[in-house]
Amino acid sequence: QKEVEQNSGPLSVPEGAIASLNCTYSDRVSQSFFWYRQYSGKSPELIMSIYSNGDKEDGRFTAQLNKASQYVSLLIRDSQPSDSATYLCAVNQGYGGSQGNLIFGKGTKLSVKP
Amino acid sequence: SAVISQKPSRDICQRGTSLTIQCQVDSQVTMMFWYRQQPGQSLTLIATANQGSEATYESGFVIDKFPISRPNLTFSTLTVSNMSPEDSSIYLCSAVENTIYFGEGSWLTVV
Repeated sequence: QKEVEQNSGPLSVPEGAIASLNCTYSDRVSQSFFWYRQYSGKSPELIMSIYSNGDKEDGRFTAQLNKASQYVSLLIRDSQPSDSATYLCAVNQGYGGSQGNLIFGKGTKLSVKP
Repeated sequence: SAVISQKPSRDICQRGTSLTIQCQVDSQVTMMFWYRQQPGQSLTLIATANQGSEATYESGFVIDKFPISRPNLTFSTLTVSNMSPEDSSIYLCSAVENTIYFGEGSWLTVV
């Protein structure tokens, strides 16, 4: 059974700090990885996608991928109270799985304290 | 980025009835999907909506319960049939256009 694991949290960080969110996945052939942010009562919003080993930066967000360790992370620099949400890690279902056919982790709830 | 609209956004449904959710994308997309998010849970893929052919269902989901239509490259519907309280969930449509986007969801409560 293909799985995506995340620490459910809550993860609490002070405003201005770096928030580090982690995710591991079981399907070694997965090629596409996504981080979504979900505010309470809202649908998921795409933050980052990453396909290659290494780091990918977009503003205050950095996604890190290590396929050998089957590990993907999201760093949020200069965390703001508005970043308080649940962060969902999603992984494409490997070869033969069409893009968009995602397995989601259960999400990490982040709380940024002013 | 693709803009995905879903209707209804919320509904309260009676047990035993069926409800059809509509998903409209503002551009032609190859792939459309339907997900479910039960209360306090993460998203689970229900099925891939295939244009011009039957949907492809994931394990645990069947066509009789969740019939899906995809008449063209911008539109799909999901019907939740013979609803029970366990079907109370958010139902999300997603589409692939360079990356994967979600609609705003349909919040269904079955009473």
